[in-house]
Amino acid sequence: GAVVSQHPSRVICKSGTSVKIECRSLDFQATTMFWYRQFPKQSLMLMATSNEGSKATYEQGVEKDKFLINHASLTLSTLTVTSAHPEDSSFYICSARAPGTGLTGELFFGEGSRLTVL
Amino acid sequence: GENVEQHPSTLSVQEGDSAVIKCTYSDSASNYFPWYKQELGKRPQLIIDIRSNVGEKKDQRIAVTLNKTAKHFSLHITETQPEDSAVYFCAASTSDTDKLIFGTGTRLQVFP
Repeated sequence: GAVVSQHPSRVICKSGTSVKIECRSLDFQATTMFWYRQFPKQSLMLMATSNEGSKATYEQGVEKDKFLINHASLTLSTLTVTSAHPEDSSFYICSARAPGTGLTGELFFGEGSRLTVL
Repeated sequence: GENVEQHPSTLSVQEGDSAVIKCTYSDSASNYFPWYKQELGKRPQLIIDIRSNVGEKKDQRIAVTLNKTAKHFSLHITETQPEDSAVYFCAASTSDTDKLIFGTGTRLQVFP
């Protein structure tokens, strides 16, 4: 199946700093990627849809100025958590749809990035 | 927007028994319903999916049923094994929004 890779897998930062997480589709091109957030023992909450070459679409309640998304190429989307605070500590996971499956098809997930803000 | 509810939140079964997890969705336009399995600290993996043009799909010990009228779908695992222990998520999406909305998850424990 399609491979999605995320980096870093773990990051610890001080409060007030910014952290960038990368999501790459390794063997296919993804015009759309999705960023989810998962708190411990909870579900995956969709944060935003990342669109190659255009602005990301954010879900209601997600601050676009805090969670900057850039999808500059067909294989790379980045999520930057700006001025991170302890409440931003979470598991961030990206995903992309398998090519050729249309608008409804299997989502492949990255390994996830666990952010801890001290 | 779409809202997906999932029950139960935890499920414990004896090895060899069956497990059933149920989900309901709110958007009648939803037409794709996957189930994902997530082991601790790992990424979700698709185990089975169903589209709105069929009512049931089976893959070895795993089956999914869909009732479009009632807007609910279920995951059935037969002859459970300890390695089936994980968190299972249902999800729903429509071809219009292209977004996959997840249920709240079910933690399945299979005891030997």
